Amino acid sequence: KAGVTQTPRYLIKTRGQQVTLSCSPISGHRSVSWYQQTPGQGLQFLFEYFSETQRNKGNFPGRFSGRQFSNSRSEMNVSTLELGDSALYLCASSLVEGGPVYGYTFGSGTRLTVV
Amino acid sequence: AQSVAQPEDQVNVAEGNPLTVKCTYSVSGNPYLFWYVQYPNRGLQFLLKYITGDNLVKGSYGFEAEFNKSQTSFHLKKPSALVSDSALYFCAVRDNSNNDMRFGAGTRLTVKP
Repeated sequence: KAGVTQTPRYLIKTRGQQVTLSCSPISGHRSVSWYQQTPGQGLQFLFEYFSETQRNKGNFPGRFSGRQFSNSRSEMNVSTLELGDSALYLCASSLVEGGPVYGYTFGSGTRLTVV
Repeated sequence: AQSVAQPEDQVNVAEGNPLTVKCTYSVSGNPYLFWYVQYPNRGLQFLLKYITGDNLVKGSYGFEAEFNKSQTSFHLKKPSALVSDSALYFCAVRDNSNNDMRFGAGTRLTVKP
């Protein structure tokens, strides 16, 4: 079966712009989580969605937002981009909300570069 | 709050030698513990997990990890390293009291021929 699909793979944006990233989870998976990965901060949790509701949120400013659609696909949006938002954004899906017994399945990520 | 620490930024081993990548954790309640591997320009791949039961967990690609409750550790091991094992390895802990998942900073494993 298809894995977690993230689009686009690479993105270059200018400071001040906004960006929308997309994640399609594994078929049947209803939970989608987003992480930001940077060399300095490592992997940091952004938020988790389940059944179109945000269930958990990390410590990021309000410029970072997301949503989940009825087909479990998720988007995250970053407004007013800053240079420090340059990172690899990873999406992870799991079958159930919260404690995933089998762990997440990650997508390959979207590499965002803000110039 | 739960946390996970990977004390080594870098681990170097020779091909054919055993490898260990260290991880310690701090959680309230019973932890769910995971190891993931990341190859260049790719997302994370699940290697193995500890939920309950046998303290020695076997996972993908010949890796295993030992859960040690008294030392709050979950070290990743492999008896004989391959050059293709060279990658970034992440330990993660899920605190099931609040559903948070925290990742360690990662350890870069380099296996030399």
